[in-house]
Amino acid sequence: ETGVTQSPTHLIKTRGQQVTLRCSSQSGHNTVSWYQQALGQGPQFIFQYYREEENGRGNFPPRFSGLQFPNYSSELNVNALELDDSALYLCASSTDQNQPQHFGDGTRLSIL
Amino acid sequence: QQQVKQSPQSLIVQKGGISIINCAYENTAFDYFPWYQQFPGKGPALLIAIRPDVSEKKEGRFTISFNKSAKQFSLHIMDSQPGDSATYFCALGEDKLVFGAGTILRVKS
Repeated sequence: ETGVTQSPTHLIKTRGQQVTLRCSSQSGHNTVSWYQQALGQGPQFIFQYYREEENGRGNFPPRFSGLQFPNYSSELNVNALELDDSALYLCASSTDQNQPQHFGDGTRLSIL
Repeated sequence: QQQVKQSPQSLIVQKGGISIINCAYENTAFDYFPWYQQFPGKGPALLIAIRPDVSEKKEGRFTISFNKSAKQFSLHIMDSQPGDSATYFCALGEDKLVFGAGTILRVKS
């Protein structure tokens, strides 16, 4: 077990709605990254948070935003949901920047 | 633009055989080349990784071969077992990972 837990495990939303996904990092990990994994594809990097500050962002629009809290848990928020946002969203934590990451089992988001 | 190209897309190997998955990359700025294993319904798990100062790394039945000049690296699974059936991803970097498209491995018993 990696110790990275994500909630909820599954979620169904409709186009235009907003969603918040949550991640509890492994104990002692101050860095968290979020990835989007579309069906049949590799994960794509969304952004990373280090000590509560955004520390790098992939090619995702501003409607994808995040937060990291003092206890290093994290949220991913997506506004104005689109059908293409249907994917598995993965959270990964590490002990510091540039350290190997440990992934949670993800949240499966379906957009109708 | 695809920074890392992974092949094959899928692979079927007999139990006891050798599974080989290949990746080619473009950006030489990366200095950490991991392989991840993902089972259905689970997140990716780090399997083995290599840095470019060595050409090969072995951990149990898993070996990474690295060719810096060709900008290629590969995963070899020796004595493949049905429990190895999973999707395998090569990646670039330690965090802010760039993943390949994945290889679905099926080991037939």
